[in-house]
Formats: sequence, structure tokens, C-alpha cells
Amino acid sequence: SFVLTQPPSVSVAPGQTASITCGGNTIGSDSVHWYQQKPGQAPVVIMYYATDRPSGIPERLSGSNSGRTATLTISRVEAGDEADYYCQVWDTSSDHWVFGGGTKLTVL
Amino acid sequence: QVQLVETGGGVVQPGRSLRLSCAVSGFTFSKYDMNWVRQAPGKGLEWVAAITDDGINKYYADSVKGRLTISRDNSKNMLSLQMNSLRAEDTAVYFCAGSRSGWSDRYFDYWGQGTLVTVSS
Repeated sequence: SFVLTQPPSVSVAPGQTASITCGGNTIGSDSVHWYQQKPGQAPVVIMYYATDRPSGIPERLSGSNSGRTATLTISRVEAGDEADYYCQVWDTSSDHWVFGGGTKLTVL
Repeated sequence: QVQLVETGGGVVQPGRSLRLSCAVSGFTFSKYDMNWVRQAPGKGLEWVAAITDDGINKYYADSVKGRLTISRDNSKNMLSLQMNSLRAEDTAVYFCAGSRSGWSDRYFDYWGQGTLVTVSS
């Protein structure tokens, strides 16, 4: 089955840049979406189709996707960015949605 | 104001059934594909099931196929999940989530706050 691999955790100091990766065999040709989830809350989409930001999402967040890895980059990290981040892909071979295992971003 | 409100969660014994509902308001329900996504305690997100805007096509994760059934009533703006033969591993917060129809790979625009299902004897 299709698997998306994320690092369990990423730590970064305030003001620095955080990169969260999402690996998958064919992810470079797939539409990848990213969600942010804070404790006790529902997920919120923060990046869609790899590089597009919904309205209200700061420009500090950016995305890329090539080869076997999609990346969510958060520049000038703030304390409020501390959350769990999930990538998501629609697997056309199985007609299943697939989520990555999630990455916990810690702001030091 | 967009609202998705899940109800029906609770504690249930293994092998028993439970029905979850998701009441939707604030957007045109009949133009959205809908999904159930669950999250076991302390774990990540797991997609469970999807249904197209017209209710015709349904898709299930392998882990729930044959036990869980997704349905919708567009006249009532309601999404449902019938859960049969429940197992301990079904214990999770269940979220309903919607995506604008027309694209199979469109992201989930809207999410509810979730309802907790605990399967335990």
C-alpha cells in the first residue's frame, strides 16, 4: 500500500527555518496537501497542491514537491507554529486517501 | 459560518455497533465530497471513508471495509458513519471533513471538532 514517510519530530529555534519532509515513491507526481493540527483541535489545511497557500496562511510558509519528497518550509519560525504537521495524498491506484505519520514541530 | 458538528461517540463494547453523525451548515453540502478521518489517542491521522457529493461512490480504508458504512442525506445536510463489529483498535476521535467536489484529489476544506469513540469491555 502507498506509504508517506515523515520524520516524527523537528526542532528549531525561533526565527530559524524549519523543513518538514514527506517521502513517497511517486509523490513528485501527486497532489500533496499539508495540514497543521494543534493540541485538542481539528486539522487545518495550510498548503495545498504542494505549493499553494490558503488565504490567511502567512507567506512564511512555503511548499515544494519533486522526485520522491515533498517539503513544507516554515521560515522565521514563531512559537505559535508549534504543532503537528501532516502531509496527505490521494492514491489513485487504490482510491484511498493517505496521510503521512505526522511531524511534531517543537520551537525551542 | 461553517460548522460541522459530530455526534454519537461514546463507550461501546467490542463487537457492538455505533452510529456517528455529522451535521453540516454554512456551505452547500450537496457540492462537497465528505470524509471520515480518525485519530487514535496520541497517534496520527487515519483516513477512514469517503463519499462523493451525490452519495453514489463510496471508498473505505482496508482496516474498516465491511464493518463501517458511510452515508449521507443531502436533504438534511447530514453525514453518517455506521460502525459495526467494533474492535479495540477502532478507539479514536472521529472527524468529519469536506472537500469541494469535482476533483478526486482536492484537499479537505472543512473539518469538524471530532467525537470520541472508545471500544472497551
